[in-house]
Amino acid sequence: EDQVTQSPEALRLQEGESSSLNCSYTVSGLRGLFWYRQDPGKGPEFLFTLYSAGEEKEKERLKATLTKKESFLHITAPKPEDSATYLCAVQSYLTQGGSEKLVFGKGTKLTVNP
Amino acid sequence: EAGVAQSPRYKIIEKRQSVAFWCNPISGHATLYWYQQILGQGPKLLIQFQNNGVVDDSQLPKDRFSAERLKGVDSTLKIQPAKLEDSAVYLCASSLFMQPPYNEQFFGPGTRLTVL
Repeated sequence: EDQVTQSPEALRLQEGESSSLNCSYTVSGLRGLFWYRQDPGKGPEFLFTLYSAGEEKEKERLKATLTKKESFLHITAPKPEDSATYLCAVQSYLTQGGSEKLVFGKGTKLTVNP
Repeated sequence: EAGVAQSPRYKIIEKRQSVAFWCNPISGHATLYWYQQILGQGPKLLIQFQNNGVVDDSQLPKDRFSAERLKGVDSTLKIQPAKLEDSAVYLCASSLFMQPPYNEQFFGPGTRLTVL
């Protein structure tokens, strides 16, 4: 069964202090790895999709990378408005008895203090 | 472009009562998903539709939960009867396709259900 583990559970940074969030996964065959941002009281907001090891994608202060076992979300010089919960999800290829559904981790709650 | 719409935003009911949630996906999106998100957890897929057919409902508690997607557009999720453990946020999402590319899912704001 597909599994996703995110660490740390919570992270507190000062404005401008760069860091990384980790997403470790176990899948039978990776079709895609997704990063979402979720603000309190709102639905998840799509950030990135990564399809193969070595792939990288960037958006403003965020950069997502992918290896065969994990993904990192690097946050460079964060601002208070980057405070949110960041969710990682994996989608695997359909196998007998399996499913292509997204499996989410529990998320990392990021707080950026001014 | 309008996003995924959901209603109501909040609902409080007594256990054993019934409740229904409504979702309108992004125009043109063929695939629609219902998720349950318990506080402190990531979303868990309940049911996935492709147009108006069910693709995956393996995690839907079918003794109390039901869902339909008439005419391949709007969808409703119903719980009858509700239990205390059903207290959660119910999220609806849609995607253009099921497989890449363009299979990223876009979420609505969710319905927060409290069962007393």
